[in-house]
Amino acid sequence: GAVVSQHPSRVICKSGTSVKIECRSLDFQATTMFWYRQFPKKSLMLMATSNEGSKATYEQGVEKDKFLINHASLTLSTLTVTSAHPEDSSFYICSARDYRQGPRGYTFGSGTRLTVV
Amino acid sequence: ILNVEQSPQSLHVQEGDSTNFTCSFPSSNFYALHWYRWETAKSPEALFVMTLNGDEKKKGRISATLNTKEGYSYLYIKGSQPEDSATYLCVGGAGNMLTFGGGTRLMVKP
Repeated sequence: GAVVSQHPSRVICKSGTSVKIECRSLDFQATTMFWYRQFPKKSLMLMATSNEGSKATYEQGVEKDKFLINHASLTLSTLTVTSAHPEDSSFYICSARDYRQGPRGYTFGSGTRLTVV
Repeated sequence: ILNVEQSPQSLHVQEGDSTNFTCSFPSSNFYALHWYRWETAKSPEALFVMTLNGDEKKKGRISATLNTKEGYSYLYIKGSQPEDSATYLCVGGAGNMLTFGGGTRLMVKP
């Protein structure tokens, strides 16, 4: 079946630095990639939606200059947390959309646990 | 779909017990209802996607039903096994958008 590889699985960084998270679709072309964030004891919340070759659409309250999303190819999307602060510590997970599979065509990465110290 | 609620938040059962969880969602603007099984440090695994009122899906010992008129879905696990221990996510789909419930964390004791 479809697989999305997400790296790194865990990262610890210092305040003020930037962290890049990658998601790759391994055996299908991901026209659309979704990025989610999950705070402790909360549901996964959509941060942004990106389509290959175009700018990402950010959800209300998500700073586009802080969370840079690049979806330059049909198999790779990256999320860069810039100038990270401790409040950015969270669980980030991507999901790739394979429209050929209709409503079931969402494949998730395994997530990245970011800790900013 | 703006609000997807799951209950219970967590559940402890003994091996061999059968169990079920509930997912509720607004019945208006419904498109699809997904169930995922999510083990720690792994990707959420798609179990079912249902779109029609009255849909019933089954995969081994796990089954799910959908009632779009009243806005709920049930997930059933028959004869729980320790390997069923995971978080079960209910996700509402409307267009391209997914709205996640908070999940039900199931722990099956041997």
